[in-house]
Amino acid sequence: EPEVTQTPSHQVTQMGQEVILRCVPISNHLYFYWYRQILGQKVEFLVSFYNNEISEKSEIFDDQFSVERPDGSNFTLKIRSTKLEDSAMYFCASDKGGGDNEQFFGPGTRLTVL
Amino acid sequence: AQSVTQPDIHITVSEGASLELRCNYSYGATPYLFWYVQSPGQGLQLLLKYFSGDTLVQGIKGFEAEFKRSQSSFNLRKPSVHWSDAAEYFCAVVRGLTGGGNKLTFGTGTQLKVEL
Repeated sequence: EPEVTQTPSHQVTQMGQEVILRCVPISNHLYFYWYRQILGQKVEFLVSFYNNEISEKSEIFDDQFSVERPDGSNFTLKIRSTKLEDSAMYFCASDKGGGDNEQFFGPGTRLTVL
Repeated sequence: AQSVTQPDIHITVSEGASLELRCNYSYGATPYLFWYVQSPGQGLQLLLKYFSGDTLVQGIKGFEAEFKRSQSSFNLRKPSVHWSDAAEYFCAVVRGLTGGGNKLTFGTGTQLKVEL
């Protein structure tokens, strides 16, 4: 069964450092997403990406964040200069588009900023 | 803007007992609704979804949910809980994005504990 994969499963970094979180969406999906979940809080939408462009982003997704699809399979989230409050679980998701399609989630990357 | 409320942060049930997890939504149009489950250290797995039609929807692992427009609710139920159902459960409402993608807005989740 196809699945979304994410690497690494856990990333520890120092405040101010850049991190790149990687995802491989399901191969025939067209829309890609990042969500985050701060410990003890709800899962929050960050950004959606389609046809090599951001289609929508939340208020959380400021200039420190960027997304890229560098090749035909990977989808990355970069945080340029990490802050303590960026510590969270980051989930990648993908779907085929259309409101009645399931959005498949990866297992997440736990980011810890020290 | 859409929102989802899950009033129960923690619920404890005995194995074999019935379960109902509450979800209320706020959305301006006909909602698409999902229930996801998250086991420790795992990602989000879709349990079931409502798009249209029959308001009682069946999902995986013996779960079902009923959409009630008059109450803006989409409660998740299971007649007999198993110890392996212990997990966190998230209700979500879907908004279609311009250009065809979907944005999920999640509730705060309900942590289910199952007593043996």
